[in-house]
Formats: sequence, C-alpha cells, structure tokens
Amino acid sequence: QQQVKQSPQSLIVQKGGIPIINCAYENTAFDYFPWYQQFPGKGPALLIAIRPDVSEKKEGRFTISFNKSAKQFSLHIMDSQPGDSATYFCAATGANNLFFGTGTRLTVIP
Amino acid sequence: ETGVTQSPTHLIKTRGQQVTLRCSSQSGHNTVSWYQQALGQGPQFIFQYYREEENGRGNFPPRFSGLQFPNYSSELNVNALELDDSALYLCASSLAGAVEAFFGQGTRLTVV
Repeated sequence: QQQVKQSPQSLIVQKGGIPIINCAYENTAFDYFPWYQQFPGKGPALLIAIRPDVSEKKEGRFTISFNKSAKQFSLHIMDSQPGDSATYFCAATGANNLFFGTGTRLTVIP
Repeated sequence: ETGVTQSPTHLIKTRGQQVTLRCSSQSGHNTVSWYQQALGQGPQFIFQYYREEENGRGNFPPRFSGLQFPNYSSELNVNALELDDSALYLCASSLAGAVEAFFGQGTRLTVV
C-alpha cells in the first residue's frame, strides 16, 4: 500500500514554464516531507524539504506548498530549465523510514 | 556529490546465488538505511542500522540481511537471489535523530 501518492507520472513543459508535482499522504504521524531529484544512473539527491507546521518554503527556483488539513503538498519549479529534466520523488518521514512516492519524470523542452 | 559511496556499481548474479553490497557512510553519519528501487518506481525501505543494530525494517523477507561496522559502514546481504531482486540498491546515511538522508549512487543488481 502506497503511503505517499504522487502525480502526475510524467510531465513535459517548455523552458521557462512552471511544472507542478503533487503528493498526498494519509499518515498524520509523518513529520518531515522532503523532495528528491534523481538523474539516470544516480542516487536521489535531497532538493528541498518542509515540516508540517509551515505552509510554504522557497529555495531558489524550488517552492514547496504544504496543506496540512488536506494532507497534500506540492513542488513548483519556477523558470524551469532543460537541466531540471529528471525524476522527482516526494517523500515523508516516519518511524525511522522514508516513504517515497512513485516519482514524476519531468522533461523540460528547450 | 554526497560522501556516501557504494560498491560495486554494477553486478550480475544468477538466480539462487548470494550477493553482498557495501556502503560507506558520509563522514560523521552514524545511521545507514538501505533501499530497493525497481525500475520506474520509488525507493522502498529495506532496513536501517544504528550503532551496529537493526533499527527498523520494511516489508522484506529474512533473506535480506545487513551489518553495520564500528566505522558506520554497512553491508546488505541477499541470499537465494530471485529474478525480482533485480533493482538499484541505494544506501543512505544520516545522523541519528536528523531527518536529512543522503544517498549514494547505488548498486545496479541484475539477477539472471
């Protein structure tokens, strides 16, 4: 059973566009919500993370929006670039474990 | 680049064989977790080690076992390999109590 649900499965945007990736969870014990970026043949790299007591966090071109009541959170990538083309995973932490979403393959077209 | 290193990077094994994968954690990190990532899927938690003891386990059978050494490096052992064990195996290190986990580049295991 998938603890963290992620959508869409894939996303194609033009350079400069703002892709949005959405995630939802059920377990209210989760207390940390990171996003990872993974390039082919590489391990996931921590991109940005948020705690449930914060509604928004920005780091550079990446923004997390968090809706605690709806148990949903999303990643926005401002002014997307071809170098942002990768697979993005949302995750949630609980019980010494990271629960990952199924991933979104993002393609940014020049 | 993180300081987490895994070896080997690629491995081909025959069904029924045993395999050992290795991980060196980032300097100062005392907690190591292992994940299995099937093609096109998110990583799935196998287990975590802290102070050389297993500190949590995901939904994997006992033929998946591990070790952590005094220098915090770790091994993942898989016995009686099955075709479905083909995946990218990821090691992540962290400080105990910290939420940030840093991943290595993974070991690509192919079982034929």
